[in-house]
Amino acid sequence: EDQVTQSPEALRLQEGESSSLNCSYTVSGLRGLFWYRQDPGKGPEFLFTLYSAGEEKEKERLKATLTKKESFLHITAPKPEDSATYLCAGGGGGSNYKLTFGKGTLLTVNP
Amino acid sequence: DVKVTQSSRYLVKRTGEKVFLECVQDMDHENMFWYRQDPGLGLRLIYFSYDVKMKEKGDIPEGYSVSREKKERFSLILESASTNQTSMYLCATGRAPGYTFGSGTRLTVV
Repeated sequence: EDQVTQSPEALRLQEGESSSLNCSYTVSGLRGLFWYRQDPGKGPEFLFTLYSAGEEKEKERLKATLTKKESFLHITAPKPEDSATYLCAGGGGGSNYKLTFGKGTLLTVNP
Repeated sequence: DVKVTQSSRYLVKRTGEKVFLECVQDMDHENMFWYRQDPGLGLRLIYFSYDVKMKEKGDIPEGYSVSREKKERFSLILESASTNQTSMYLCATGRAPGYTFGSGTRLTVV
């Protein structure tokens, strides 16, 4: 059974305090590892896809990395507007890219 | 940008009612998905469709059915709503690498 586990469940940071979120996965025939951001009352918003171990992608203060078993979302000098739930998902299981989601990390950045 | 529209943001239904949740996308994508999201459980796939009139069960299809008569529209049907189906329902569409989600329908069954 495909499984995606995120840690920690919740993280509180001070503005400017860098940290990382973890996503460990066991997904059969992994074809992509996805990161999404979700704000309260809204649907998830796509951030990154990583396809192979060693790959890195960046967007503003966020950088996602991938190993054979884990992915990390590094947040550098976060701002209060980075506060959200960050979701990790593994895509696999054939050509239809069915996603298996982790439960998410709720990030709060205090000013 | 792809737009995914879910017909209702909030819905309150009675136990035993038949409930229809509608999702429309404007970009001619083949794949469409229905997820439910619950605190502590995350997003779980209910059903997905990769073409008109085609559907496949996801991880938690019990108590649900779907309909896809036109490419742009994917409907989730609760045959007889129960209180344990109170949840946030999210529709998604797109091609790899990233899917686009709708804003969700928060359904309460009383």
